[in-house]
Amino acid sequence: KQEVTQIPAALSVPEGENLVLNCSFTDSAIYNLQWFRQDPGKGLTSLLLIQSSQREQTSGRLNASLDKSSGRSTLYIAASQPGDSATYLCAANNAGNMLTFGGGTRLMVKP
Amino acid sequence: DAGVTQSPTHLIKTRGQQVTLRCSPKSGHDTVSWYQQALGQGPQFIFQYYEEEERQRGNFPDRFSGHQFPNYSSELNVNALLLGDSALYLCASSRQDTGNQPQHFGDGTRLSIL
Repeated sequence: KQEVTQIPAALSVPEGENLVLNCSFTDSAIYNLQWFRQDPGKGLTSLLLIQSSQREQTSGRLNASLDKSSGRSTLYIAASQPGDSATYLCAANNAGNMLTFGGGTRLMVKP
Repeated sequence: DAGVTQSPTHLIKTRGQQVTLRCSPKSGHDTVSWYQQALGQGPQFIFQYYEEEERQRGNFPDRFSGHQFPNYSSELNVNALLLGDSALYLCASSRQDTGNQPQHFGDGTRLSIL
């Protein structure tokens, strides 16, 4: 059974800092790994999807890496802004159908 | 092009009642998945529907059931509601021919049980 863990659970940083969010998973036989953003009371917005054959994906100030052998993924956010404040979720896809989510990291970027 | 839409936005029920939540998938999508997200936790997979059949199910009791219609829209039904069923219920749609990835999520239905 796949288990996904995210560390830290919460993070508060001043504006402009570069930061790294961590995600670990127990079953390395994944099809892909996806990072989402969730604003309070809202649904999930997909940020980046990394296929199992890829090492990283980039979109703007976001960069996600994947190391299947160690069961780890990281989301790097460059030059953080107050608008980046949200909960960030990673999800592993093992079977092409269901996503297994971590508990999320609640990020606060202070002006 | 409308994304995934869910209704209602909020719902308040009492213990023992039954509830039906609705989801319309993104245009061109044929598969619908449902997730339950308790406060402060990540979403948990309930089940997935394709071709009007339940294709995969997570670790949820039979009180949770669903349906998919010919137009690909879907309903989630929960019977005999418990206080622990209070959560945000998220619907995600995808295309079977892309391996159901990526999944596109709606804004959810917030269900509160009194």
